[in-house]
Amino acid sequence: AQSVAQPEDQVNVAEGNPLTVKCTYSVSGNPYLFWYVQYPNRGLQFLLKYITGDNLVKGSYGFEAEFNKSQTSFHLKKPSALVSDSALYFCAVRDRGNFNKFYFGSGTKLNVKP
Amino acid sequence: EPEVTQTPSHQVTQMGQEVILRCVPISNHLYFYWYRQILGQKVEFLVSFYNNEISEKSEIFDDQFSVERPDGSNFTLKIRSTKLEDSAMYFCASSAGTGGSGELFFGEGSRLTVL
Repeated sequence: AQSVAQPEDQVNVAEGNPLTVKCTYSVSGNPYLFWYVQYPNRGLQFLLKYITGDNLVKGSYGFEAEFNKSQTSFHLKKPSALVSDSALYFCAVRDRGNFNKFYFGSGTKLNVKP
Repeated sequence: EPEVTQTPSHQVTQMGQEVILRCVPISNHLYFYWYRQILGQKVEFLVSFYNNEISEKSEIFDDQFSVERPDGSNFTLKIRSTKLEDSAMYFCASSAGTGGSGELFFGEGSRLTVL
């Protein structure tokens, strides 16, 4: 069974500082991994995904994520946070053997303070 | 840019009433999903739909729920007899048939309030 965990309910960071939002997964194979962002009263927006190849994936709005197979992690990062990055972030996993299941983590609220 | 559209944006209903939430997925997508989110918290999987049939469903998706793709463009979620705990934001999503690597595209959601 696939599952994905986001161990932090909330992450606080000062504007201009680097940010990391953590995600770990448990798999029965090699999953596809995704990050989404949700602003208040909006739908989920795709940020980036890991399919195969280079472990460092770059996405929208300057975000990147590093796939670490040995630690089964896919942490979201950004070198310099903006106040406008404040939002809810979701990690997601999709089973390579069953495209019908797309699981989300519990979400992490990112607060970037001026 | 193609987008997933959902209607209504907000619906208020009385407990026990039937509700239909509508979605128009991106036109060339093959996989369709419904999720719900209560109070801006966890995004919960309800059901996935592929090749004109339900492919997966969660334990939340009981006999009160049904989905249809009646005309090749719309994708609907029906709640037959709403309960207070059905109050949530419901999101429709679709993805292309790219071997599973395709991301999900979400609509802006339909907020359901059951009184």
